[in-house]
Amino acid sequence: QVQLQESGPGLVKPSQTLSLTCTVSGGSISSGSYYWSWIRQPAGKGLEWIGRIYTSGSTNYNPSLKSRVTISVDTSKNQFSLKLSSVTAADTAVYYCARSIAGAQFDPWGQGTLVTVSS
Amino acid sequence: EIVMTQSPATLSVSPGERATLSCRASQSVSSNLAWYQQKPGQAPRLLIYGASTRATGIPARFSGSGSGTEFTLTISSLQSEDFAVYYCQQYNNWLPAFGQGTKVEIK
Repeated sequence: QVQLQESGPGLVKPSQTLSLTCTVSGGSISSGSYYWSWIRQPAGKGLEWIGRIYTSGSTNYNPSLKSRVTISVDTSKNQFSLKLSSVTAADTAVYYCARSIAGAQFDPWGQGTLVTVSS
Repeated sequence: EIVMTQSPATLSVSPGERATLSCRASQSVSSNLAWYQQKPGQAPRLLIYGASTRATGIPARFSGSGSGTEFTLTISSLQSEDFAVYYCQQYNNWLPAFGQGTKVEIK
């Protein structure tokens, strides 16, 4: 059974770059027609899709964040990563990684990691 | 961009009663719609995909229906563990979009 786990700093200063990693266990990140996504959720609010990477390395990003987002994959470590630059307090949220089959529904999800943007 | 709108924002239901949640898409998403359940402090859990197919391990009291722009999630007899926030999500195009959520609370 595939499991995902987010990791990274819980506190980032304004204007800096937020960096998170999602480690995939129980299966290869390279196998199957899977997309690997990042999704975030500010406290008390809804879910926002940030972007995704395919096993080939191709990416799609939410246009609202595209200028600041980079998603990459490291197949040797069975991980994929998120970088969000020039962060502000509005980027404070719980960040989730998730898998989707052929860009469809998200399952499974990681447990989520809270990132706070503050000086 | 497809906008997903859920109603109501909050639904107050007594245990054992039926709950009906609605989700509307700003344009047709065919049957490319999923429902998720989220409890406080937890990640969302997939309940339904393809508008009406239950995910693995999801109880039969959860059912989904609809196509095009109008969708419904029905919980036939609410159990205590079902009080949570529910989100719909479309995946008909390359830009996935979630609804704002419906909170199902105890009446």
